[in-house]
Amino acid sequence: DTEVTQTPKHLVMGMTNKKSLKCEQHMGHRAMYWYKQKAKKPPELMFVYSYEKLSINESVPSRFSPECPNSSLLNLHLHALQPEDSALYLCASSQVLGRTGGNYEQYFGPGTRLTVT
Amino acid sequence: AQKVTQAQTEISVVEKEDVTLDCVYETRDTTYYLFWYKQPPSGELVFLIRRNSFDEQNEISGRYSWNFQKSTSSFNFTITASQVVDSAVYFCALRRGLAGGTSYGKLTFGQGTILTVHP
Repeated sequence: DTEVTQTPKHLVMGMTNKKSLKCEQHMGHRAMYWYKQKAKKPPELMFVYSYEKLSINESVPSRFSPECPNSSLLNLHLHALQPEDSALYLCASSQVLGRTGGNYEQYFGPGTRLTVT
Repeated sequence: AQKVTQAQTEISVVEKEDVTLDCVYETRDTTYYLFWYKQPPSGELVFLIRRNSFDEQNEISGRYSWNFQKSTSSFNFTITASQVVDSAVYFCALRRGLAGGTSYGKLTFGQGTILTVHP
């Protein structure tokens, strides 16, 4: 069973709606990630949080707004999305890379399949 | 710049056949990490293996085995006696080590190989 959970599984929203995607991990990880994945493509990194602080923003449009309320939770707030934003949104977590090296892997949640109409 | 190439876009086999998924990578780093992930139709990426650049030991886990060769920059994945449940998209990925300056685990993915195992 995955220890990274995401809700909702599916989301359909209009271009004027505001919605949020939620992610929770129970592995004690201090790094959390949002990815976007289009059909038949690899995941694309959007944001990285480390110790609850945003550390990487891969030039994502401001209509996507991440939030990390605590070390276990990661949200992605959506507003005024476009149809081309329809995709699978994946959350992942990992240990934070430290001085001892990067012998860590990311664990992914099941994703939220978003459709923007 | 880092790059991962999975030249096989789609592979179709019959159950019980062996199948090898190829992965070739490019990096200038001396320390790096390689990964394989499986993505079944449900969508979740399932972690399969991590290999460090300084450890060329091959690995076997049940029906899965991995062959890492630094000389050819390849990290190939073999499924022995394939089963229908192995049908999925498989991604190979590369991450820089600390020496590369990226501290937060950014993965460079290949384009993925769609594996279909027919009964």
